[in-house]
Parts: sequence; C-alpha cells; structure tokens
Amino acid sequence: SQKIEQNSEALNIQEGKTATLTCNYTNYSPAYLQWYRQDPGRGPVFLLLIRENEKEKRKERLKVTFDTTLKQSLFHITASQPADSATYLCALEGAGKLVFGAGTILRVKS
Amino acid sequence: DADVTQTPRNRITKTGKRIMLECSQTKGHDRMYWYRQDPGLGLRLIYYSFDVKDINKGEISDGYSVSRQAQAKFSLSLESAIPNQTALYFCATSDLSGETGGYNEQFFGPGTRLTVL
Repeated sequence: SQKIEQNSEALNIQEGKTATLTCNYTNYSPAYLQWYRQDPGRGPVFLLLIRENEKEKRKERLKVTFDTTLKQSLFHITASQPADSATYLCALEGAGKLVFGAGTILRVKS
Repeated sequence: DADVTQTPRNRITKTGKRIMLECSQTKGHDRMYWYRQDPGLGLRLIYYSFDVKDINKGEISDGYSVSRQAQAKFSLSLESAIPNQTALYFCATSDLSGETGGYNEQFFGPGTRLTVL
C-alpha cells in the first residue's frame, strides 16, 4: 500500500545547529514533492517544491533533497532559530493531487 | 492567510446534527480542496474541485458532501455528524500560475475546529 512516513517523534535541536527532517515514501512515483510549515492552530504554509528531476533545491536557510531511488526527501534548516519551531509536512504529488505526511515537530531551543 | 477564510472557526455540535463549513477565497484560484487533520494522521483529502462545475471525491468522502457555489466559495457539509468526525478541517486553494508554475502549491485557510459530541 502507499505510505508516506515522517518522524513521529519531535526533533529537538539547539539554536544555530542544522535541523534535518526526513520524508520517506513507498509505492509512489511522484512528479514533485513539497514541504510545508504549520504553526499551532494555523493552516500549513508552502515552503519549497522539488521536482523529480532535481536533486537539490535551496531557499535562504532551507535546503531540500529528493532521491527517487531511495524514495526519500530530506529537509534541512541551517543556522536554526527558535522561530523555526513548528511542524513540517511533506506532500507528494499523487494522481495530480497532493498527499501529505503526518508531519514532524521541530523544536529549536536557545 | 486572509486570502482564504473559513467559517466558523470553532464549532461544537451533537451527534446527528447537520453542519456546514464554509470557505471563501479572494485569490482567484480555480482549484479548491477540503482536508481534515487528525493527530498522527496528517492531512487527508475529503473533496476537491478544479472549477465550478467539477467536484471530485477524495480519500475520505464518506459522510461528507460539498457544494461549489462560485469560483470563490466551496462549502463542506456533514449531513448527520458523528463523533469520529471530530477534527480540524482545512480549506485550500491552488492554481496553475503560482510561484511554482503549476505544481499545485496550495494556500490554506486558518481551519475550523469541529467537535461532535
């Protein structure tokens, strides 16, 4: 069956370090993958898109990689700040729609 | 995001009641979606609409119905609410001309927290 897996346990890191979040999937062949940020009590907000023919994408302190052989995307936040604390969702293209993972909570401590 | 609004923001109702959640957008997008979010399960697609005359079932449409009254309005109804429909509901929009050039970047409303007793 199709499955998207993100770390269910929260990731706790120290301010200034690089946070790395993982999104693994099975039985999908997505044309693209997206990452969203969600703050408590609010709707998700789009951060980055990466296409199947792209290995890496960067935007300011954010970097996303996409390995279609491993069926995995990694999401990195460099020089993390307490304001980066949120839940991060990956979303895969599936039959023209988005299918979301359950998200990983990131906590950045000062 | 003020471009996508949802009403009500919070609702408590009883089993068997009919409930309507409303979504309006000022982004001019053709595509609209309804999701529900449950702890540990992420966002699941209930219904989606690619234009006013197009309505499609998503992953979990049973117990729900929708109406696309206009390009800007997409309503979700629970005909007879049950406790396992207690969840956070999100409306979202997208189109083919956004920042991502047609790769379905979605813009979400603030959500409606629904509790069915």
